[in-house]
Amino acid sequence: DSGVTQTPKHLITATGQRVTLRCSPRSGDLSVYWYQQSLDQGLQFLIQYYNGEERAKGNILERFSAQQFPDLHSELNLSSLELGDSALYFCASSVGVGSGNTIYFGEGSWLTVV
Amino acid sequence: DQQVKQNSPSLSVQEGRISILNCDYTNSMFDYFLWYKKYPAEGPTFLISISSIKDKNEDGRFTVFLNKSAKHLSLHIVPSQPGDSAVYFCAASVWGNKLVFGAGTILRVKS
Repeated sequence: DSGVTQTPKHLITATGQRVTLRCSPRSGDLSVYWYQQSLDQGLQFLIQYYNGEERAKGNILERFSAQQFPDLHSELNLSSLELGDSALYFCASSVGVGSGNTIYFGEGSWLTVV
Repeated sequence: DQQVKQNSPSLSVQEGRISILNCDYTNSMFDYFLWYKKYPAEGPTFLISISSIKDKNEDGRFTVFLNKSAKHLSLHIVPSQPGDSAVYFCAASVWGNKLVFGAGTILRVKS
């Protein structure tokens, strides 16, 4: 158990809908990361937050957005869902930033768009 | 732009022997390298890491070697055990940001 908690573990929704994935980082961690793993792709970095502020952005679609709240939990919002958005979405956290920063992953939220 | 490459999709090793997983990178700014182990439909589990100022780090059966001039790192598992069978990902970051992953190598340890 990494200490990173993600909910829900599984969800099925229809195309065009909107969903919210939630992440609670490890106790004491200030950085939160979101990654996407599709069937035919590896782990793709989406976005990183540090202490409530966006720190780095990857290949995140405009239909997707995220935020980190004052209590440090984070949410990833996925809207106008398409079949291709079906994937495993991972949240990860770390103490902060800087060299030597080890990132720990949650168990993931499996999204199926039908 | 694939900055971290794991060119071997799979590796099969006999129990008790050494497993060597390889990783190459292109970005010379990477200063921290990590190896993760992953089972299907589960999150990656951190195994071992190495800073760019070192060339070797050891933790039990796991040793990571870094060759900066060749932009190459490897993970050695000795001795290999059936429970080590999983997908292994190499990852790298610059100043703790935006961890970039390789495509992964499937390790099968046969008993």
